[in-house]
Amino acid sequence: AQSVSQHNHHVILSEAASLELGCNYSYGGTVNLFWYVQYPGQHLQLLLKYFSGDPLVKGIKGFEAEFIKSKFSFNLRKPSVQWSDTAEYFCAVIPIAGGYQKVTFGIGTKLQVIP
Amino acid sequence: DTEVTQTPKHLVMGMTNKKSLKCEQHMGHRAMYWYKQKAKKPPELMFVYSYEKLSINESVPSRFSPECPNSSLLNLHLHALQPEDSALYLCASSQDSEQYFGPGTRLTVT
Repeated sequence: AQSVSQHNHHVILSEAASLELGCNYSYGGTVNLFWYVQYPGQHLQLLLKYFSGDPLVKGIKGFEAEFIKSKFSFNLRKPSVQWSDTAEYFCAVIPIAGGYQKVTFGIGTKLQVIP
Repeated sequence: DTEVTQTPKHLVMGMTNKKSLKCEQHMGHRAMYWYKQKAKKPPELMFVYSYEKLSINESVPSRFSPECPNSSLLNLHLHALQPEDSALYLCASSQDSEQYFGPGTRLTVT
């Protein structure tokens, strides 16, 4: 079974600071990787995804993530955060075998951006 | 239409009540999911339907009973719940690996 670990559970940044949230997964086969965001009181939204190809993927709102296969990592980055980025961020993994059905989420990272 | 809708938004029920949660998508997705999310925790998978058939049950107690009447609808029937079942219940759908989530139903069991 796959597992996902997110290293930072609670991150506090000032506006304009750079952000990097760590995500590592454990699985022996090929996976699809996702970052989801959950703004306060709102539902989960997809930030970005990696299926194949260029390991540096760009998502909405200026976020990007880099897939490093040798490190089983898919870290999320943003050069300059805004107060509106305050939210919970979840890394997720789906193994390609098994019909794309069983997604595993990381525990989540709560990001608090201070104006 | 890339939206997954869920009703009701909020539900308060007693431990002897029977209620149902509803989920709908019109994206033609082949798979639909129920998740449970407790505060400050990630979503936990409960059930997966693929082509209207139950394909995954993550050892969920029988007081939760899913139903997929057609390819656009997914229900979760609730009976004799416990206070610890209070949570946000999320529905999702997918055609491939990307899942689209609904806003959830906030359930409180008293």
